[in-house]
Amino acid sequence: QSALTQPASVSGSPGQAITISCTGASSDVGNYEYVSWYQHHPGKAPKLMIYEVSNRPSGVSNRFSGSKSGNTASLTISGLQAEDEADYYCSSYTSYSTIYVFGTGTKVTVL
Amino acid sequence: EVQLVESGGGLVQPGGSLRLSCAASGFTVTNNYMTWVRQAPGKGLEWVSVIYSGGGSYFADSVKGRFTISRDNSKNTLYLQMSSLRAEDTAVYYCARIDHSYYGMDVWGQGTTVTVSS
Repeated sequence: QSALTQPASVSGSPGQAITISCTGASSDVGNYEYVSWYQHHPGKAPKLMIYEVSNRPSGVSNRFSGSKSGNTASLTISGLQAEDEADYYCSSYTSYSTIYVFGTGTKVTVL
Repeated sequence: EVQLVESGGGLVQPGGSLRLSCAASGFTVTNNYMTWVRQAPGKGLEWVSVIYSGGGSYFADSVKGRFTISRDNSKNTLYLQMSSLRAEDTAVYYCARIDHSYYGMDVWGQGTTVTVSS
């Protein structure tokens, strides 16, 4: 089971919107709605930002949104803010015996 | 308050063993899906293991046969027993709760560091 593929880095200016892609396969992203996104600031605990492709947990800003098409899921951050600078990981349930898989991770830089 | 606190990390020689603990508060470990995730230095998050409320468990291929996952209801604690440790097991290990309705990891600990080196 290989990691889901994400771009290594994405950057944007404050106020802009950016989108992070997460490409998997029919055994994971393409076949399940159990796609989540996590924000990870170095040295801190990861934080759940999106679950079930497009749902936000209570307390997460509505600037964060998720979607999926085929084997690719996406996270969009609109109105980019300095505090959004972090690493972002997607994850998916998978039909393999390994059950879960994370993406390779994307470093978001606010210019 | 819902919280997870990991402990048990440290320096261990290759081939050695270590047991990580994850103490929960604010919810019951045995009633939830619980998981371990790790991050090696300079690398991304890697899923390690999960234990379901019914007791079933699964492991990443990289640790299968070397790691076991368990829990203690009386201590409300999750464990990860690691044996035959390798340099590539060096990482920060996080425990997390999985919401079983949507398979998202909604509560995370702060992590404990494991270093495998001679």
